[in-house]
Amino acid sequence: KNQVEQSPQSLIILEGKNCTLQCNYTVSPFSNLRWYKQDTGRGPVSLTIMTFSENTKSNGRYTATLDADTKQSSLHITASQLSDSASYICVVSAIPNFGNEKLTFGTGTRLTIIP
Amino acid sequence: DTEVTQTPKHLVMGMTNKKSLKCEQHMGHRAMYWYKQKAKKPPELMFVYSYEKLSINESVPSRFSPECPNSSLLNLHLHALQPEDSALYLCASSQDLRAGGPQNEQFFGPGTRLTVL
Repeated sequence: KNQVEQSPQSLIILEGKNCTLQCNYTVSPFSNLRWYKQDTGRGPVSLTIMTFSENTKSNGRYTATLDADTKQSSLHITASQLSDSASYICVVSAIPNFGNEKLTFGTGTRLTIIP
Repeated sequence: DTEVTQTPKHLVMGMTNKKSLKCEQHMGHRAMYWYKQKAKKPPELMFVYSYEKLSINESVPSRFSPECPNSSLLNLHLHALQPEDSALYLCASSQDLRAGGPQNEQFFGPGTRLTVL
């Protein structure tokens, strides 16, 4: 069964500090891994998308890494800001033979930045 | 225009009401999706339309009825809902369901917060 697990479940850090969120997956056949940011009551917004061959990808203060061998990904946030308070969702895509793309969502990490 | 819009933002309805949620995109995407999201849970896929045809129905109860009038619009008709159907309903679109991969990135709308009394 395809699964995506994220840790920690929640995280509170001081403004200006860095943090790293983790994502472990068992999804096959793997196509790509996505990190989304979701503000409360809003739709998810894409931060990064990485394929099998990509180890790291940055989007401003967000840097995602992917280790396809260990099936792990991380999202590092540098110099956090109050606006970074949100849920961060790891989503893994699989494309089975002769089938349509299937996304498996993690349960998310709730990040709170305090001044 | 890289935006998916949804109306209304909030909806309160009784169990005997009939209402509709609307979603629109003008990115030329040919795949559109409905998700249901309960508090502190990830989105759950409900329906997928590909080229205006229903491609995936994740065993959703018949009180939810999707409709895709054209390539830019997606509706979700609601009838005889239950209080447990209260949730955030998200619409998303992507370039082409058949393409897969990074080029099939999904763009989400802001959602409709539905409350069933």
